[in-house]
Amino acid sequence: EIVLAQSPGILSLSPGERAALSCRASQTINRNYVAWFQQKPGQAPRLLISGASSRATGIPDRFSGSGSGTDFTLTINRLEPEDFALYYCQQYGSSPWTFGQGTKVEIK
Amino acid sequence: EVLLVESGGGLVRPGESLRLSCVVSGFSFDDYGMTWVRQIPGKGLEWVSTINWNGDRTQYADSVKGRSIISRDNAKNTLYLQLNNLRVEDTAFYYCARVRFTYGFPLYPDSWGQGTLVTVSS
Repeated sequence: EIVLAQSPGILSLSPGERAALSCRASQTINRNYVAWFQQKPGQAPRLLISGASSRATGIPDRFSGSGSGTDFTLTINRLEPEDFALYYCQQYGSSPWTFGQGTKVEIK
Repeated sequence: EVLLVESGGGLVRPGESLRLSCVVSGFSFDDYGMTWVRQIPGKGLEWVSTINWNGDRTQYADSVKGRSIISRDNAKNTLYLQLNNLRVEDTAFYYCARVRFTYGFPLYPDSWGQGTLVTVSS
């Protein structure tokens, strides 16, 4: 199965700053089938990005995804207070689906 | 509004069984595949099982294969997960989520329920 390694584990930033979250795969992900999710305490994950770079419906354009092959990045420009949360990447290009271990974006 | 509501979780002893349900509304249930993803409290996400729109194609994670059955009733807009011979390590929140398929291939989970907690303990 494909192992996804997210880094850093914790990202301490201030509102208004830019966050760059990395997701590295143990092998090439077919068709760049990578999704990103945001999860807040006590809530279900929310889809942000699919296909490595396509924003889901209703997701602000300060969220963007990039990358290909084995290296993918979620960028959050101008962090808003509601963006401080956990973020997971997921690959759906091969079975079984796998998720990264998560990156926590916390207020500095 | 797309809504998915899980139920059926609870406290069970090792070796026992549970059936989780997920009732959906706000979209055409039989246009979508469905999936279960679980999360140990405070930990990461783990895919459990996926089913296509009519139930004739199912997939399972190795961790639950042979102990679980995913199914659906399109007339009732309901997804199920039968969990048998439960283990302590099955303790987790179980989320159902909607999945679009393309050419028989499941894509990403795009809408999630709030989850139901399964606790396996003696």
